[in-house]
Amino acid sequence: QQQVKQSPQSLIVQKGGISIINCAYENTAFDYFPWYQQFPGKGPALLIAIRPDVSEKKEGRFTISFNKSAKQFSLHIMDSQPGDSATYFCAASNSGYALNFGKGTSLLVTP
Amino acid sequence: EAGVAQSPRYKIIEKRQSVAFWCNPISGHATLYWYQQILGQGPKLLIQFQNNGVVDDSQLPKDRFSAERLKGVDSTLKIQPAKLEDSAVYLCASSLTARFIQYFGAGTRLSVL
Repeated sequence: QQQVKQSPQSLIVQKGGISIINCAYENTAFDYFPWYQQFPGKGPALLIAIRPDVSEKKEGRFTISFNKSAKQFSLHIMDSQPGDSATYFCAASNSGYALNFGKGTSLLVTP
Repeated sequence: EAGVAQSPRYKIIEKRQSVAFWCNPISGHATLYWYQQILGQGPKLLIQFQNNGVVDDSQLPKDRFSAERLKGVDSTLKIQPAKLEDSAVYLCASSLTARFIQYFGAGTRLSVL
């Protein structure tokens, strides 16, 4: 059973555009929501994370928006660059237990 | 700071053979995870260790998979015997404690023929 649902499966954005990836969860016990970035042949690397007591967190060009009532969160990549082309995974966890990952979004930023 | 080390990077075996993967976590990290990542999907937890004790192995197919973490440092994951559906990337991750950031190794890509 997929505990975190992610969309879209793939995304093509022009350089300079905004990339938006959405995730939804059901388990209200989740209290940690990270986004991971994975390049081919590499392990996932933490990009940015949020806890449910805030509605938005921004780090550079990356922003997480969190809607607790809707049980949804999203990643926005502003001014997308070709170097951002990778697979992005949302995840959720409960009080220190392992991460539940979405299925991933393959992002391609075209020049 | 050295990252999570995994070996081998690639492994090709025939079905019904055995295979083992090794993981060396970041120094001082008490929590260690093994995930299975099937092509096109997100990583799925197989087992979580806190020091050398098992926290969660509910999704580990215990009839064929086993894992250990001796002395609370290195860990090995074994598959015996392997099935075609075990073809995946096996990722090891570690964190300072269970509530901190998980750092992933590059993984071992297993192909079962």
